[in-house]
Amino acid sequence: KQEVTQIPAALSVPEGENLVLNCSFTDSAIYNLQWFRQDPGKGLTSLLLIQSSQREQTSGRLNASLDKSSGRSTLYIAASQPGDSATYLCAADGGATNKLIFGTGTLLAVQP
Amino acid sequence: NAGVTQTPKFQVLKTGQSMTLQCAQDMNHEYMSWYRQDPGMGLRLIHYSVGAGITDQGEVPNGYNVSRSTTEDFPLRLLSAAPSQTSVYFCASSLRFRSSGNTIYFGEGSWLTVV
Repeated sequence: KQEVTQIPAALSVPEGENLVLNCSFTDSAIYNLQWFRQDPGKGLTSLLLIQSSQREQTSGRLNASLDKSSGRSTLYIAASQPGDSATYLCAADGGATNKLIFGTGTLLAVQP
Repeated sequence: NAGVTQTPKFQVLKTGQSMTLQCAQDMNHEYMSWYRQDPGMGLRLIHYSVGAGITDQGEVPNGYNVSRSTTEDFPLRLLSAAPSQTSVYFCASSLRFRSSGNTIYFGEGSWLTVV
């Protein structure tokens, strides 16, 4: 059964700092790995999608990497801003369950 | 484009009552799904559909029914509400299931409390 874990559960950083969010998954037979952002009381917004054949994807200040062999993905946020404060979730698509399985998220607070 | 629209936003039910959460998308997406989000549990897939007339179970389907009579609509029915179904429910859609570069769009959520 695919299990997705995100560490840390919460993170607080000062504005301007570079940071890394971690995501690990137990079944490496995934189709893709996705990162989402969720603001309080809102739905999820897709940030980056990495296909299983890719190593990384970039969008603006965000860079996501994927290492299937070790079952890990990271989301790198450069020069963090207070507007980046949100919960970030990763989701692994595929594996034995053949479903999109979500982690529990990392709650990020960027202090001005 | 309205994207993915969920109604109602908030609902309080009594144990044993039934209700339907509505989900509609105007992007001609083939794939639609329902998730519930609970503290410490993340999002869990309830049911999904890869096209009109086709539905399948997710991780936690018990107590819920779905149908997909049109491409646009994917309602979620609670048959006999239980306190364990108190949760936030999200509907999501994407153009196709697992196509390359497939962005998933989520609705704003429906907060359901069962007393």
